[in-house]
Amino acid sequence: GAVVSQHPSRVICKSGTSVKIECRSLDFQATTMFWYRQFPKQSLMLMATSNEGSKATYEQGVEKDKFLINHASLTLSTLTVTSAHPEDSSFYICSARGTRASGAETQYFGPGTRLLVL
Amino acid sequence: SQKIEQNSEALNIQEGKTATLTCNYTNYSPAYLQWYRQDPGRGPVFLLLIRENEKEKRKERLKVTFDTTLKQSLFHITASQPADSATYLCALLNAGNMLTFGGGTRLMVKP
Repeated sequence: GAVVSQHPSRVICKSGTSVKIECRSLDFQATTMFWYRQFPKQSLMLMATSNEGSKATYEQGVEKDKFLINHASLTLSTLTVTSAHPEDSSFYICSARGTRASGAETQYFGPGTRLLVL
Repeated sequence: SQKIEQNSEALNIQEGKTATLTCNYTNYSPAYLQWYRQDPGRGPVFLLLIRENEKEKRKERLKVTFDTTLKQSLFHITASQPADSATYLCALLNAGNMLTFGGGTRLMVKP
């Protein structure tokens, strides 16, 4: 099946620093990538949707200046948490939807990135 | 408002029994409904997709039903095993092609 990777898998940073998370589709071209956030014992909440080469669309309540998303190529999207604070600590998961023949209606998820802001 | 509801209480069953998880939704007209498995600290893994014109779908020990009148999907795991223990998420793909998740139900299969 399709593989989506994320890096790093875990990051600890000091308050006020910026953190970049990479999401790659390894064996297909992802025309659309999604970024989710998941707090403990809660479901995934969509943060933003990005299409290759265009600006990301953010969900209501998600600050676009704080969560910078870049989808520069069909295999790479990055999420940068700027000036991170402890309340940004969460599990961030990316997902990719591609052009494979297996079906665009299926999204493939990355393994997630655990962010802890001290 | 749109809601996707799954039983937030953990489901505990004995190995070998059939596990049944429920997903109810309101104010959606989903073109598809999907079920995912999520293990702690991991991203969701796609299991099954069922379309609005399908009533039932099977994959090995998994069975999903989809009742658009009741606005409900049931997810069954037959001959359950301890390795099936995980959180199971249902997700709706609506006509706008956006995927929204329910809160998930944690399944614990005891040996």
